[in-house]
Amino acid sequence: RKEVEQDPGPFNVPEGATVAFNCTYSNSASQSFFWYRQDCRKEPKLLMSVYSSGNEDGRFTAQLNRASQYISLLIRDSKLSDSATYLCVVNIVTKTSYDKVIFGPGTSLSVIP
Amino acid sequence: GAVVSQHPSWVICKSGTSVKIECRSLDFQATTMFWYRQFPKQSLMLMATSNEGSKATYEQGVEKDKFLINHASLTLSTLTVTSAHPEDSSFYICSATPRRFSPNTIYFGEGSWLTVV
Repeated sequence: RKEVEQDPGPFNVPEGATVAFNCTYSNSASQSFFWYRQDCRKEPKLLMSVYSSGNEDGRFTAQLNRASQYISLLIRDSKLSDSATYLCVVNIVTKTSYDKVIFGPGTSLSVIP
Repeated sequence: GAVVSQHPSWVICKSGTSVKIECRSLDFQATTMFWYRQFPKQSLMLMATSNEGSKATYEQGVEKDKFLINHASLTLSTLTVTSAHPEDSSFYICSATPRRFSPNTIYFGEGSWLTVV
């Protein structure tokens, strides 16, 4: 089983739609969680961190359920510029002096006019 | 803010040659840097963790003799693809964590596109 799994996608939605992405992780040593956005042929860029209490940034809402090892991202009022691949990212505490950062496979979103 | 620079952005090399990619943290010291590889339409796959002053830790399935990693200083890590073959063509990207900031902070380089012909 992969350490981080996401909806396979792609998601094709009209402008203004609300879209939700799901992510699950398998390693209980996972400590920190993020959503990244990656545009084609570019490096990933941090969209938002994910906290247990849930957090919101404008049209974006992230949720974390540690008991279920589940993370979600909700995008409201989709814009054309939201078209990208969304990566669920997990920071795993290891027995060594560093943490490991693991990326999910990503879910592609296309917002259609 | 913190910046990670990666060089070169694009490289084309002949099969059998070696290619070196550099990852520099420009305004912070990075005790740990990560190297990822991304094939088209796939996610980033962690290749190895580079620790300053010690050997890199490779993920399962990554050949350490083929992908040489050196982290000789707190601001520079290099990835050398030795005896490159067309199947090594990919997007390689590094990330770094500042020493004194939250361990949750991850900064990415711009990535390097490698094409082996």
